[in-house]
Amino acid sequence: QVQLVESGGGLVKPGGSLRLSCTASGFTLSDYYMKWIRHAPGKGLEWVSEINRSGTITYYADSVKGRFIISRDNAKESLYLQMNSLRADDTAVYYCARDRPYLEGMDVWGQGTTVTVSS
Amino acid sequence: SYELTQSPSVSVSPGQTARITCSGDALPKQYAYWFQKKPGQAPLLIIYKDIERSSGIPERFSGSSSGTTVTLTISGVQAEDEADYYCQSADNSGTYVVFGGGTNVTVL
Repeated sequence: QVQLVESGGGLVKPGGSLRLSCTASGFTLSDYYMKWIRHAPGKGLEWVSEINRSGTITYYADSVKGRFIISRDNAKESLYLQMNSLRADDTAVYYCARDRPYLEGMDVWGQGTTVTVSS
Repeated sequence: SYELTQSPSVSVSPGQTARITCSGDALPKQYAYWFQKKPGQAPLLIIYKDIERSSGIPERFSGSSSGTTVTLTISGVQAEDEADYYCQSADNSGTYVVFGGGTNVTVL
């Protein structure tokens, strides 16, 4: 079935790095723009980053610009988020989501992976 | 930076109607989307392009748009509808995705 599965979350010290992965199944990743969204404890959903189908165009929220890098390997049906210089306020559940064409919205989400930044 | 404004909470009795509003200056130009979020679960797309119901979503969920405000209406609320609801759109350029702060719906 159509599915996204995130991995790579964990506990990291401030200033550290993590790489999140998101693996797609049941559909062809290269057909879709992809996004990362996070949900911090007690807060609302926050868009983090987006990448086009070929991986040549990327966008970032101001809160992560210069620290996070989104990328994809369509041959491996995988999306990535390299997170550097992590801060306490990056603590959140991170979701990857598929963005349907023709502005039809994010219809498939992964189950999320938890990132905790703490000393 | 661009913001979408939602009321923090709505309380409604079973069978009644819940209306959740989302306001933003770019909404006349950019589509709005609505997501349902329950604890421990991924967000679920309910409404896309302001008024279109996503596949498998019950007919009691509907979306509307008027000027700088979009509204999610839940008609005949059921206990299972208790959740946080988020509107989502984009800034005027269409480049940057924005979420509203979320509205907690409590079914009394």
